[in-house]
Amino acid sequence: GAGVSQSPSNKVTEKGKDVELRCDPISGHTALYWYRQSLGQGLEFLIYFQGNSAPDKSGLPSDRFSAERTGGSVSTLTIQRTQQEDSAVYLCASSLYRGNQPQHFGDGTRLSIL
Amino acid sequence: DQQVKQNSPSLSVQEGRISILNCDYTNSMFDYFLWYKKYPAEGPTFLISISSIKDKNEDGRFTVFLNKSAKHLSLHIVPSQPGDSAVYFCAVGDGTSYGKLTFGQGTILTVHP
Repeated sequence: GAGVSQSPSNKVTEKGKDVELRCDPISGHTALYWYRQSLGQGLEFLIYFQGNSAPDKSGLPSDRFSAERTGGSVSTLTIQRTQQEDSAVYLCASSLYRGNQPQHFGDGTRLSIL
Repeated sequence: DQQVKQNSPSLSVQEGRISILNCDYTNSMFDYFLWYKKYPAEGPTFLISISSIKDKNEDGRFTVFLNKSAKHLSLHIVPSQPGDSAVYFCAVGDGTSYGKLTFGQGTILTVHP
């Protein structure tokens, strides 16, 4: 499809395990964002990539969270030593370029930490 | 410290009538405003946007109004349809944050046939 693709759609894991979430943005989009939505909350910004520039990591909640974007396309969000409060829907979005542009979202990964 | 607030958690409207969703923000530096619609188990879908140089933008049944002095944003849906039932999020951005968006908590819209 032509939209943002995320995998897996659902992930259930035990507390303390590491998880890796994947995002494939819309072809040609240079900007990529990760957000998360906890139950009953709005979307919370995590991290932003623009081309080959250094990412904006200002939203990452702790050093257990990290993200990479290889080759300016696919991105992975890694959460180490997961905690129950990490349970949320993790959403990826992309836009044509940075700045005032609509961001287009994938369907998210629903992460449940037991 | 919420920078973007949607004070109505839910709104119920009859089919064919107008739906008005509201959003307030605190930071006058915000210069780009968007509305998204979200169905369960799907990602948010972009609906309409407006920049701070305008006070109204229209796209079909959807119109966004911006009142900069009041720091208030609204989305009008006319006429409302049952398929419009979803969660609506307002989002704001500013040029210094390279496109990072700050979202409201969302309003659940239910349109009754």
